[in-house]
Amino acid sequence: SQQGEEDPQALSIQEGENATMNCSYKTSINNLQWYRQNSGRGLVHLILIRSNEREKHSGRLRVTLDTSKKSSSLLITASRAADTASYFCATRNTGGFKTIFGAGTRLFVKA
Amino acid sequence: GAGVSQSPSNKVTEKGKDVELRCDPISGHTALYWYRQRLGQGLEFLIYFQGNSAPDKSGLPSDRFSAERTGESVSTLTIQRTQQEDSAVYLCASSLASLQGGVGNTIYFGEGSWLTVV
Repeated sequence: SQQGEEDPQALSIQEGENATMNCSYKTSINNLQWYRQNSGRGLVHLILIRSNEREKHSGRLRVTLDTSKKSSSLLITASRAADTASYFCATRNTGGFKTIFGAGTRLFVKA
Repeated sequence: GAGVSQSPSNKVTEKGKDVELRCDPISGHTALYWYRQRLGQGLEFLIYFQGNSAPDKSGLPSDRFSAERTGESVSTLTIQRTQQEDSAVYLCASSLASLQGGVGNTIYFGEGSWLTVV
């Protein structure tokens, strides 16, 4: 079964608002990554957070990780129409390289 | 190459035919992954290769699916006797293989091969 589960499945917001997406996973992880996908093609890496980190920032992105709850969140601040895409979390289990993706959150930012 | 390259980008095949999908990973990347994504769905792990280790085939959905990798280079995903349920985008990705869990784990994706079985 897939490792990560994102929620919400879909999110529609106005430009300028913040978007928060959540990810839960099941087993011990080495790291957790967030990816973005436009138009059902290749995914683009956004940010990686290690299991010993709790928060990380990159531009308008903020990621948190709570290993006790096996969950992570991705916050996009001051959203733009160009942020419209699907966002996926991915987890790499400890001791290996197998990386599992969740079902994704479809974000729609209205101009 | 500069990025992960996949071919063909689109393939339409008749039910029952075999198809081969090719992936050229980023040079120097020892880890290579195949995922399947059905329309509107998440990524389904199929298989990954890591250096000379035995591949993790745990995600292959049936014995009609197989994959090979030549050293740390090209990989081919083969689907035999295709079925309509095999219609999906097949995504290949590669990464450095760092057990330390840092940025060396970033996975770089190709643009995918869109397979339609009619």
